[in-house]
Amino acid sequence: SQTIHQWPATLVQPVGSPLSLECTVEGTSNPNLYWYRQAAGRGLQLLFYSVGIGQISSEVPQNLSASRPQDRQFILSSKKLLLSDSGFYLCAWRGRDDTQYFGPGTRLTVL
Amino acid sequence: AQSVAQPEDQVNVAEGNPLTVKCTYSVSGNPYLFWYVQYPNRGLQFLLKYITGDNLVKGSYGFEAEFNKSQTSFHLKKPSALVSDSALYFCAVRGLENGNNRLAFGKGNQVVVIP
Repeated sequence: SQTIHQWPATLVQPVGSPLSLECTVEGTSNPNLYWYRQAAGRGLQLLFYSVGIGQISSEVPQNLSASRPQDRQFILSSKKLLLSDSGFYLCAWRGRDDTQYFGPGTRLTVL
Repeated sequence: AQSVAQPEDQVNVAEGNPLTVKCTYSVSGNPYLFWYVQYPNRGLQFLLKYITGDNLVKGSYGFEAEFNKSQTSFHLKKPSALVSDSALYFCAVRGLENGNNRLAFGKGNQVVVIP
């Protein structure tokens, strides 16, 4: 069966520091992968998606970037965090049944 | 462009009563429709989906949803709510235009089941 992992689970970082969040999927190959942010409140904002290694589509121009160095690995990065980058970051993969399945999330607090 | 509307911020229901969470959508062509549930500090869990076939879709934990093409709606229902159903519920849609790999999510509905 397929599983999706995200780490770290929680992170507290100072403004101006770098960021690296990792997402990995097991049990499938060549999945579409997605990064979402959920700000306080509730709405989901799609940040990036990837259909293959090295292929990244950016949905919202901002302080973040994404990379896909391996088939089942998706990384979200920033060179310098802003206060507004705080939120709950969710990674998802799309199965062959066209359903997106979500990871457990990373809670990021920027101070 | 595809979009989803979940008109109510919060739905309060007494335990044992029927629960309905409303969702309407806008999309080009035939839609793929999904419902997810989110508990605090957790990722979204898939509940059910409609792609084709029977308009009434049954999913996890006793939930079901009815696809209504004329009203462009996909309301989530449960005949008898449990306190453990208290959570945040998201409706999502994907249009079938070529190369579309994205879901559009609604803003979410907070469901509170009162003991």
